[in-house]
Amino acid sequence: EPEVTQTPSHQVTQMGQEVILRCVPISNHLYFYWYRQILGQKVEFLVSFYNNEISEKSEIFDDQFSVERPDGSNFTLKIRSTKLEDSAMYFCANPPTRNTEAFFGQGTRLTVV
Amino acid sequence: SQQGEEDPQALSIQEGENATMNCSYKTSINNLQWYRQNSGRGLVHLILIRSNEREKHSGRLRVTLDTSKKSSSLLITASRAADTASYFCATDAGNTGFQKLVFGTGTRLLVSP
Repeated sequence: EPEVTQTPSHQVTQMGQEVILRCVPISNHLYFYWYRQILGQKVEFLVSFYNNEISEKSEIFDDQFSVERPDGSNFTLKIRSTKLEDSAMYFCANPPTRNTEAFFGQGTRLTVV
Repeated sequence: SQQGEEDPQALSIQEGENATMNCSYKTSINNLQWYRQNSGRGLVHLILIRSNEREKHSGRLRVTLDTSKKSSSLLITASRAADTASYFCATDAGNTGFQKLVFGTGTRLLVSP
């Protein structure tokens, strides 16, 4: 079964530092999403990406966040100046088409200290 | 209440018993998905049920969907200790091509040997 791969699995960073989370999508899967889950809480949508453009972003996805596709295939989620409240599990999801399973990656646990 | 609320919030049963979790939502949906999450780990896709379907089975899992009541249930039969996890429903409610998932708050299931 195809897999979405996220790296790193765990990242510890100091408050104010920039972090880059990475996701390798599945070939030919057209839709891409980033979600986050603060410990003990529900999974929240951050941003969606389609056809090399952001298609929707949530209120959480403020100017501190950016998503890019630097090499045309893999995705990155950048947090420019991390805050303590950015500590969470970050997931990417990569469904092939509409109305299908989301294909989540294993997540990156970000800890901001 | 929020889109995608599960009840109960926590459920404790013995091995061999059945576990039923319910999910309610508020808007029209394209599909509803159930996910399992072991503590601090990734999201494991269990089953997807589309809005025109009423029931689906996968192994020991049975999912129902009642769009008139905007609710779904997940039944795990003959539960095992390994089923201990949090279970989330997620609704795909977008009416555009960019259909983010909206997750519920989850049900924590504890299956005791």
